Amino acid sequence: SQTIHQWPATLVQPVGSPLSLECTVEGTSNPNLYWYRQAAGRGLQLLFYSVGIGQISSEVPQNLSASRPQDRQFILSSKKLLLSDSGFYLCAWSVGLGELFFGEGSRLTVL
Amino acid sequence: QQQVKQSPQSLIVQKGGISIINCAYENTAFDYFPWYQQFPGKGPALLIAIRPDVSEKKEGRFTISFNKSAKQFSLHIMDSQPGDSATYFCAAGGGQLTFGSGTQLTVLP
Repeated sequence: SQTIHQWPATLVQPVGSPLSLECTVEGTSNPNLYWYRQAAGRGLQLLFYSVGIGQISSEVPQNLSASRPQDRQFILSSKKLLLSDSGFYLCAWSVGLGELFFGEGSRLTVL
Repeated sequence: QQQVKQSPQSLIVQKGGISIINCAYENTAFDYFPWYQQFPGKGPALLIAIRPDVSEKKEGRFTISFNKSAKQFSLHIMDSQPGDSATYFCAAGGGQLTFGSGTQLTVLP
């Protein structure tokens, strides 16, 4: 069966520090991969999506970036975090136009 | 802009009651309408989904009603239980999903 792993689960970082959140999917090949952000009490904001290795589409221009070094690995990064980057980050995957499956999320607090 | 508008923002229901959450979409090309359930600190999980070739889909206590002409769909939770207390998101899409803003449901014991 397919599973998605996302880490770290919780992260507290100072303003201006770098960020790396990692997501891996098991049990499927060539998935579409997504990064969403959820601010407190808010909806889901699509940040990046990828349909293949090295192919990244950005939905919201900001100081975050994404990379897909392997078929089932998706990384969210920042060189310098802002206070406004605080939130709940969710990785998700789908195959084709099918169901979207989310990871458990990473809670980022920027101080 | 391809929005999905969800209401209400919050909902309080007594145990055993019916919870109803509504969504409206704009893009007539959308052909997939899922509902997600999210508990605090967890990722959203697919609850139930519908395609526009049917007007209703039922899975246990959860039912999606779909009105293609009105571009609206709704989630009905029958016999609501305290364990149903969560945030519910509707979504719509023909490839990538566009999510509603979420409804925080509280079911009182």
